[in-house]
Amino acid sequence: DIQLTQSPSFLSASVGDRVTITCRASQGISSYLAWYQQKPGKAPKLLIYAASTLQSGVPSRFSGSGSGTEFTLTISSLQPEDFATYYCQQLNSYPRTFGQGTRLEIK
Amino acid sequence: EVQLVESGGGLVQPGGSLRLSCAASRFTFINYEMNWVRQAPGKGLEWVSYISSSGSTIYYADSVKGRFTISRDNAKNSLYLQMNSLRAEDTAVYYCARDKGLDFDYWGQGTLVTVSS
Repeated sequence: DIQLTQSPSFLSASVGDRVTITCRASQGISSYLAWYQQKPGKAPKLLIYAASTLQSGVPSRFSGSGSGTEFTLTISSLQPEDFATYYCQQLNSYPRTFGQGTRLEIK
Repeated sequence: EVQLVESGGGLVQPGGSLRLSCAASRFTFINYEMNWVRQAPGKGLEWVSYISSSGSTIYYADSVKGRFTISRDNAKNSLYLQMNSLRAEDTAVYYCARDKGLDFDYWGQGTLVTVSS
């Protein structure tokens, strides 16, 4: 099974900050990686797929990059509504696996 | 907009069974692969099972293999998860999610399953 490790697990930042979350895969997954945002009590929301393609309707301050085993999600200028938990997911093979999550909180 | 609505969750004793349903609307259900994903209280996301658009290909997480059965009824635009031999560690919110191949683009609101005596 492919394991995904996100770092950091917890991030404290301020409105307007630029933040980067990393997702490392235990083996190469090409660009078969998606990023999701989840707020408390809500279902996950797709942000980015194919490592770097922004889902329709997602603000352009979100961006993704990477391929193979290392991927990043960047938020260029944090907005109040961005404070949430973020998950990466690999879609290269089954079982589909998720990272453990990165909780982004207001400093 | 695409809608996925789960139902069937509740409180069940260890060893018991439960059947979850996911009603799909506002898209052509037969054209899409589907998944179940769960989230234990305060924990991360765990993929549970996948079913192809025709139902001919199915995958399970090792944690549920042999106990859970995924199925679909394309005539009723519905996805199901039959859960048997339930354990305390199966306690979670269960989501159905539409599979676009490169991502899960739509998710239901989730249904809570609690396994406890």
